[in-house]
Amino acid sequence: DAMVIQNPRYQVTQFGKPVTLSCSQTLNHNVMYWYQQKSSQAPKLLFHYYDKDFNNEADTPDNFQSRRPNTSFCFLDIRSPGLGDAAMYLCATSREGGTRNEKLFFGSGTQLSVL
Amino acid sequence: AQKITQTQPGMFVQEKEAVTLDCTYDTSDQSYGLFWYKQPSSGEMIFLIYQGSYDEQNATEGRYSLNFQKARKSANLVISASQLGDSAMYFCAMSQWGMDSSYKLIFGSGTRLLVRP
Repeated sequence: DAMVIQNPRYQVTQFGKPVTLSCSQTLNHNVMYWYQQKSSQAPKLLFHYYDKDFNNEADTPDNFQSRRPNTSFCFLDIRSPGLGDAAMYLCATSREGGTRNEKLFFGSGTQLSVL
Repeated sequence: AQKITQTQPGMFVQEKEAVTLDCTYDTSDQSYGLFWYKQPSSGEMIFLIYQGSYDEQNATEGRYSLNFQKARKSANLVISASQLGDSAMYFCAMSQWGMDSSYKLIFGSGTRLLVRP
């Protein structure tokens, strides 16, 4: 089945040690999103790619970066994780990103712990 | 600014009964979309139902229906005949367009539903 796949499911890193989270999709969607979801809170958009165009949210810290080397893959890099970055990171896709009735397709998320 | 509000942090419902999860929103856009997602403990966000702002009829998908009251800016989710597998977090979301025509969904804080046997 076509889907959005996130690896790993759980990631543990040390304070200040760079970490990369991965997302791949077999839906051939143009848009890929990264959301951060802290415990018992709403998912918060960090940034998204429309094809190769990167769109950063105004309040996303510089510590968070992203790469999309091709249509299928997107990476979230946290350069120097702090304790406050411990969260669930959700990757999502949408087909076009240009119609109002377009739902997002989500992966299972990566739960990041920072020690 | 656009905003989604879910005022029920947690709810209980008896198995086989119906339950309503509240969602209100604030937007100055004339055209927008409203969505409900379910998030089980496994973490994946599962799409349940969609309502367009110009849709005259309330959306239905199996046991899910959306009670859309545009004038009140509310989009409540109704789950009929609750099942144990319905225990999860439920998020209301709304489409949002950026100044650069970018498209995204913004989410409410969620309601945790627990179905009792």
